[in-house]
Amino acid sequence: EVQLVESGGGLVQPGGSLRLSCAASEFSFTTYWMTWLRQAPGKGLEWLAHINQDGRAEYYVDSVKGRFTISRDNAKNSLFLQMSSLRAEDTAIYYCARSEADFHYWSYWGQGTLVTVSS
Amino acid sequence: QTVVTQEPASSVSPGGTVTLTCGLTSGSVSTSHLASWYQQTPGQAPRTVIYGTSRRSSGVPDRFSGAILGNKAALTITGAQADDECDYYCVLFVDPGTRVFGGGTKLTVL
Repeated sequence: EVQLVESGGGLVQPGGSLRLSCAASEFSFTTYWMTWLRQAPGKGLEWLAHINQDGRAEYYVDSVKGRFTISRDNAKNSLFLQMSSLRAEDTAIYYCARSEADFHYWSYWGQGTLVTVSS
Repeated sequence: QTVVTQEPASSVSPGGTVTLTCGLTSGSVSTSHLASWYQQTPGQAPRTVIYGTSRRSSGVPDRFSGAILGNKAALTITGAQADDECDYYCVLFVDPGTRVFGGGTKLTVL
């Protein structure tokens, strides 16, 4: 069964940095776009960024452009999100998800990792 | 900036039918937006219900259906059950670089 397992969340001070990872298994990682999404406490879901199969195409929501960087290591079946200049409003559960290119939706989601930005 | 609208809350009686909608503050939703719908229970990751406007995700009961109704995407639950009570989010494909969520609808089955 497809598995996506996020890690790397935790408590970080405002202005700090954090790197999230997502380990993928039981599917051909190199053939899928991958996505990061988040959900602030008590709030709705937000698409953040996605990356194509070879890592050469990246797209971001405006609120994280220039602060967050999505990347992938196909040899290790892993997806990453490097976050910098973190703000209190970045506090959220961060999910990775597998994208389906034909109908542009997310077929599998990880369980998420919590990032808390606070002093 | 694209803003996607959903009813903040809706309710349905057990066995009843409810339609949740997903619109745009500017313009109409069409099949080209490839609306997808996700359900989420508290503390859990989202689960895909509908994609490509009207296609049911694997394992989703056929009481869930999607369509374009008027100028909005719609998710209809026919014969609602207690465990359908959760939050529902729609997402629209805006362009290859952009996906936009609606604010979500909290569905109560009572």
